[in-house]
Amino acid sequence: NFMLTQPHSVSVSPGKTVTISCTRSSGSIASDYVQWYQQRPGSAPTTVIYKDNERPSGVPDRFSGSIDSSSNSASLTISGLQTEDEADYYCQSFDNYNRVFGGGTTLTVL
Amino acid sequence: QVQLVESGGGLVKPGGSLRLSCAASGFTFSDYYMSWIRQAPGKRLEWVSYISGTSTYTKYADSVEGRFTISRDNAKNSLYLEMNSLRVEDTAVYYCARDSNSMDVWGKGTTVNVSS
Repeated sequence: NFMLTQPHSVSVSPGKTVTISCTRSSGSIASDYVQWYQQRPGSAPTTVIYKDNERPSGVPDRFSGSIDSSSNSASLTISGLQTEDEADYYCQSFDNYNRVFGGGTTLTVL
Repeated sequence: QVQLVESGGGLVKPGGSLRLSCAASGFTFSDYYMSWIRQAPGKRLEWVSYISGTSTYTKYADSVEGRFTISRDNAKNSLYLEMNSLRVEDTAVYYCARDSNSMDVWGKGTTVNVSS
């Protein structure tokens, strides 16, 4: 079993770029795809990145994903931050077919 | 349009049972794995269970193994979660989600409150 660790919160100004990390505690981050979900207050999650770096249709290209084997982490980068990006973001991967979520990161755009 | 609608949540005493349902529309339901995910108040998302399109494969999180049972009826485009021996810590919003490359379609959730 492994854990996915995310920073609890980040605050960034509008128009700037933010990167949210997701570190896998054991095993290689590259061995299983990573997804990222956005959850606005009071709403269900939606996918913003799947298969490490793929973007669903309708998600702006301001959102991008990557993995870094040296730090055993995945990252979600959002450029040109807008107030509507304020939300909780969760990474998710797979552990022997179980789905594993990170603890979530609250993004504040101020 | 593609839609998932959960129902069946409510208030139940510890040790009690509840059956959640999820009605799917707008896609070929039997082609997809489906998952249940829950979120306790103010807490992270927690995957609960999945089931394959033909019900051949199911899997459960350790926290619910032996107490919860996932099932589906493809003729009715419906997903279910039978929850037994409920505990206070099972209190959460329960979401059903279409499970493909990611959990790419989510319902709005149904609330389960386990309290005496």
